[in-house]
Amino acid sequence: NAGVTQTPKFRVLKTGQSMTLLCAQDMNHEYMYWYRQDPGMGLRLIHYSVGEGTTAKGEVPDGYNVSRLKKQNFLLGLESAAPSQTSVYFCASSYASSYIQYFGAGTRLSVL
Amino acid sequence: GESVGLHLPTLSVQEGDNSIINCAYSNSASDYFIWYKQESGKGPQFIIDIRSNMDKRQGQRVTVLLNKTVKHLSLQIAATQPGDSAVYFCAETTGGGADGLTFGKGTHLIIQP
Repeated sequence: NAGVTQTPKFRVLKTGQSMTLLCAQDMNHEYMYWYRQDPGMGLRLIHYSVGEGTTAKGEVPDGYNVSRLKKQNFLLGLESAAPSQTSVYFCASSYASSYIQYFGAGTRLSVL
Repeated sequence: GESVGLHLPTLSVQEGDNSIINCAYSNSASDYFIWYKQESGKGPQFIIDIRSNMDKRQGQRVTVLLNKTVKHLSLQIAATQPGDSAVYFCAETTGGGADGLTFGKGTHLIIQP
């Protein structure tokens, strides 16, 4: 049972480049989330999804887009990367009936 | 601004001693709280949770205390071990929880041999 898997683990981008971060969960969770974590700060919610085909904005959504075409996958896209998006990105998932979220190992992204 | 925060960014304790990590929250409507542990290079890992209708909850070597009067949450770790070294976050949510958790900035717990 892999839990929540994020790919890639590391990535370096140049300003203006685009990329997609993939999150996959095998726990049949209804809800999925994307957070970013910056030094000295807690995690901040970017976008979330309460089901296949449904997404919503979190606290810091600007510059990101998401899609949830399949229940087990949640994609985070950066259309035109900026240095301010240098961060560690975490995906999480949970059952609809529970507040407990399970996290992936993170993707460390640097934008030069 | 942050609705959940921690008093001390770093806490250093001797191995075998008890640790207490504190958290203050400002949203009186929060009804559910979680403590997460994050080891270096890993994602947050669930430790223990508590609902707002409770004052105390115990797990294995950990206890969470909730004081709603002063909006304060604490995590007590008994007989700390080297493996307890990590950053600890408190998180809160209101309503159905579907819109995610609000995290504090975290406390780095260092275990001295």
